[in-house]
Amino acid sequence: KAGVTQTPRYLIKTRGQQVTLSCSPISGHRSVSWYQQTPGQGLQFLFEYFSETQRNKGNFPGRFSGRQFSNSRSEMNVSTLELGDSALYLCASSLWVGSSGNTIYFGEGSWLTVV
Amino acid sequence: GQQVMQIPQYQHVQEGEDFTTYCNSSTTLSNIQWYKQRPGGHPVFLIQLVKSGEVKKQKRLTFQFGEAKKNSSLHITATQTTDVGTYFCAGRERGGADGLTFGKGTHLIIQP
Repeated sequence: KAGVTQTPRYLIKTRGQQVTLSCSPISGHRSVSWYQQTPGQGLQFLFEYFSETQRNKGNFPGRFSGRQFSNSRSEMNVSTLELGDSALYLCASSLWVGSSGNTIYFGEGSWLTVV
Repeated sequence: GQQVMQIPQYQHVQEGEDFTTYCNSSTTLSNIQWYKQRPGGHPVFLIQLVKSGEVKKQKRLTFQFGEAKKNSSLHITATQTTDVGTYFCAGRERGGADGLTFGKGTHLIIQP
């Protein structure tokens, strides 16, 4: 079956703009989580959704937001982009929330460059 | 908040040598997961450990979870060039409401 699909794969934005990234989880998976990966900070948790509800949120400013739709697809939005937002944004899907016995599958990510 | 420290940051080995990466959490974990990320790729789930003192093996890879559920290790026996990549541990705090906290990873570089 198809894996986690993220779009777009690559994008370049200007400071102050906003960006929306999309994630389609594996069919049947109802939980989607988002991570930011940078060389300096590594993988950092952004938020986690299950059944259209945000279940957990990482320590990121309010410029970072997300949502999940009834078909489990998810989007994340970053407003008022800053240079430091340049990163690989990874989406991961799993059957349910929580990690106990719950394999998490990552997408290939969206590479965001802010100039 | 919860912190997960991983050492070493980089490890150079000759092909055929063994490799170990260590993971330590500032808090007790409900479980720990290990991922591998190839250069230019995305993290791929390797294994999850749940029980205190648990040891699991996958071919040349051996994973351990500490008795206190605050530390873990990944050991690769007789490394091969296909083992190149970054190995991450990730844990969720026991009873915590946060998502997975990842270590910063150990970059494994193999010299033929």
